Amino acid sequence: LAKTTQPISMDSYEGQEVNITCSHNNIATNDYITWYQQFPSQGPRFIIQGYKTKVTNEVASLFIPADRKSSTLSLPRVSLSDTAVYYCLVGVDNTDKLIFGTGTRLQVFP
Amino acid sequence: DAGVTQSPTHLIKTRGQHVTLRCSPISGHKSVSWYQQVLGQGPQFIFQYYEKEERGRGNFPDRFSARQFPNYSSELNVNALLLGDSALYLCASLAAGGFAYGYTFGSGTRLTVV
Repeated sequence: LAKTTQPISMDSYEGQEVNITCSHNNIATNDYITWYQQFPSQGPRFIIQGYKTKVTNEVASLFIPADRKSSTLSLPRVSLSDTAVYYCLVGVDNTDKLIFGTGTRLQVFP
Repeated sequence: DAGVTQSPTHLIKTRGQHVTLRCSPISGHKSVSWYQQVLGQGPQFIFQYYEKEERGRGNFPDRFSARQFPNYSSELNVNALLLGDSALYLCASLAAGGFAYGYTFGSGTRLTVV
């Protein structure tokens, strides 16, 4: 599975837009990009998945350039409750296991 | 609908002891996976079971074992506990034919080995 690289941590203030970029230079043709969110003492929760271009749901947007070697998770107008660790995962869509990196710890301040 | 339930929520064991962790998947989900999450790191894959058969195993020693029951619930067993086994153990269930976005995780069992 492709290795991913994310910033270790990011800080933001309430109401701002947060963009977390993930590098995955060795992504394979049939790999998807999936983002999970994890709050302390809870299991990870699926946020969004994409293959190319842009995907948007009620929680976030995912931007994937044409070469697919990176992706950006965009969280609009963050609140304190968005403080969490965000994981970028790359792999085939019907994988039997998820490969997590160390994630990006987002801290939102009032 | 109940989500993925894990028991117990917290556990303290002594080195050398054995532990059994339990997981009930979402109703209708036939696949259960186990992950270990050490403080400050992302979850690491241990096992996946589907229809009571082991489908995948991560890089963990033979002290770790698991099984899935006819009702699709699952147990993770760890023998001869080491201090390094202290972690949050997460169970995830997946619908048949599900995809990476289809995993639902429980809140985990916090195991402390002293």
